Amino acid sequence: DAKTTQPNSMESNEEEPVHLPCNHSTISGTDYIHWYRQLPSQGPEYVIHGLTSNVNNRMASLAIAEDRKSSTLILHRATLRDAAVYYCILRVGSSNTGKLIFGQGTTLQVKP
Amino acid sequence: GAVVSQHPSRVICKSGTSVKIECRSLDFQATTMFWYRQFPKKSLMLMATSNEGSKATYEQGVEKDKFLINHASLTLSTLTVTSAHPEDSSFYICSARVMRGEQYFGPGTRLTVT
Repeated sequence: DAKTTQPNSMESNEEEPVHLPCNHSTISGTDYIHWYRQLPSQGPEYVIHGLTSNVNNRMASLAIAEDRKSSTLILHRATLRDAAVYYCILRVGSSNTGKLIFGQGTTLQVKP
Repeated sequence: GAVVSQHPSRVICKSGTSVKIECRSLDFQATTMFWYRQFPKKSLMLMATSNEGSKATYEQGVEKDKFLINHASLTLSTLTVTSAHPEDSSFYICSARVMRGEQYFGPGTRLTVT
């Protein structure tokens, strides 16, 4: 399975932007880049996903490098509720058959 | 987003007994459901993939006779932990995928085997 590499932890101040990096140098042309986050004792929550172009939604933005070997999840204004483990995942395979294989993720701490 | 529920949210059972965990997609039909387990301070580990009406596909190292998965309908999948032991204590999370590929996760079930 294609793997991702993320920093173990990051810190941010409340109301400041946060850039969470992810390296995926072995990504193939059909792999989608997914981001999920997980709060303690809860199931993961979908954040955003993309293939080649940058993506925006109400939660975050996803910036994908031109060579697709890395991506960055951008939280525009961090709040205390954004403190979670953020997982960058490559979905290998088609949209109907691929599996989500979780790595270790980045633990984001948000300081008031 | 779509809602996935799990029942029970937490369960305590004695060693040697079996426990069934239900996963339901509440407002959509799931073509595929997944079961994960998560140990404290660890990441999620995929256990198996199930499609409605067919046998589940287990990941390497996961015992299919110990973790029985039944995907009875497009909205319900169950995981039965048979002859549970303390090392089976974990956080079990199901996930359901819709036709267009989005995947949603349940809130998890905390299993404690005493």
